[in-house]
Amino acid sequence: SQQGEEDPQALSIQEGENATMNCSYKTSINNLQWYRQNSGRGLVHLILIRSNEREKHSGRLRVTLDTSKKSSSLLITASRAADTASYFCATDAYNQGGKLIFGQGTELSVKP
Amino acid sequence: DGGITQSPKYLFRKEGQNVTLSCEQNLNHDAMYWYRQDPGQGLRLIYYSQIVNDFQKGDIAEGYSVSREKKESFPLTVTSAQKNPTAFYLCASSIGRSFYGYTFGSGTRLTVV
Repeated sequence: SQQGEEDPQALSIQEGENATMNCSYKTSINNLQWYRQNSGRGLVHLILIRSNEREKHSGRLRVTLDTSKKSSSLLITASRAADTASYFCATDAYNQGGKLIFGQGTELSVKP
Repeated sequence: DGGITQSPKYLFRKEGQNVTLSCEQNLNHDAMYWYRQDPGQGLRLIYYSQIVNDFQKGDIAEGYSVSREKKESFPLTVTSAQKNPTAFYLCASSIGRSFYGYTFGSGTRLTVV
């Protein structure tokens, strides 16, 4: 059961530009998390936002959460070629017993 | 350094064979998970365990089996009943519920030959 859907599926930008990825989900959540995956590697946890939070920052990352619209966005500012990776949102939903359900991911390509 | 180790990195399986993927963590995490990732797709949950000697099926458990005899270890066996096992397998662990996020291993790529 896929809880999150991400948009766009792929994004290509130039270095220095901002990258925005969106995630929509279906059921009420405890928290929503964003992960990064470099090609052929495991996922790395980036940031977690709780259901009672609306915005969170970590370095060049900014995450927003709109529980009324059941959506979240991840903004990477001043992107670098090293940001090239796939980005996944994951939801900890009330009815999932603490398990994370992952979206399909957004493949980000940052060109130097 | 604490972390989660998956081995082997690459694994080849012949038709009709069972193979076991290893996952070991030294983070003292209670919960462990196995996910399958197919090309260009998200992660699908196979099995998870929130405590030693207990585990539950995820969304795609058919053709897989697990054990959790030790807190540190959560091996996954891909049985011959799994008809399409070629995929990238990821193991993860967490303190308990997902409040603090998951730590992932680097994955095992399984190919049927």
